Amino acid sequence: DAEITQSPRHKITETGRQVTLACHQTWNHNNMFWYRQDLGHGLRLIHYSYGVQDTNKGEVSDGYSVSRSNTEDLPLTLESAASSQTSVYFCASSEPAGDEQYFGPGTRLTVT
Amino acid sequence: GDSVTQMEGPVTLSEEAFLTINCTYTATGYPSLFWYVQYPGEGLQLLLKATKADDKGSNKGFEATYRKETTSFHLEKGSVQVSDSAVYFCALSVNTGGFKTIFGAGTRLFVKA
Repeated sequence: DAEITQSPRHKITETGRQVTLACHQTWNHNNMFWYRQDLGHGLRLIHYSYGVQDTNKGEVSDGYSVSRSNTEDLPLTLESAASSQTSVYFCASSEPAGDEQYFGPGTRLTVT
Repeated sequence: GDSVTQMEGPVTLSEEAFLTINCTYTATGYPSLFWYVQYPGEGLQLLLKATKADDKGSNKGFEATYRKETTSFHLEKGSVQVSDSAVYFCALSVNTGGFKTIFGAGTRLFVKA
């Protein structure tokens, strides 16, 4: 069965360190998204990609970057982790012409 | 800009009670509307959707009707179960050269036995 996976599921890091969160999907979807979930804010879009070599900023992109070198993967990098980036991060994908999104299980990141 | 507003939680109900979670939206153009559900420790999953006015989405006993005149998409279920305890997100999707989804803040539902 097709799926979308995220790793690690839990991560504790220190302020100032670079952190990369992995997202891998086997749906063969062109569209991929990264969100963060915080209490009271729902899900907020960080970055998204419509295909290989395409990346775009979302509403809360400062301090984050992504790269898309193949269809299956969209890693999210925190260049210099800050305590404000403590959150749960979700990756999602969707078909090109459709709009339902399929979500991964999430990564809980704590920055100390 | 485009936005989704849903009722604040938590909502606490007894088993077999009637559920309504209100959702209203603001959008340019003609969005598709969704309800997603998030069970504890999991990612979101699609519960139901509607793509045009007066469409009714339904799944697992939940229903929501796309009301263009009131810009609403309220979620209802006639008889909730303990297993329905979760966080529910209303969302809209707009086509900006690719579909982008905007989520509400989420409503937590607790169902007591």
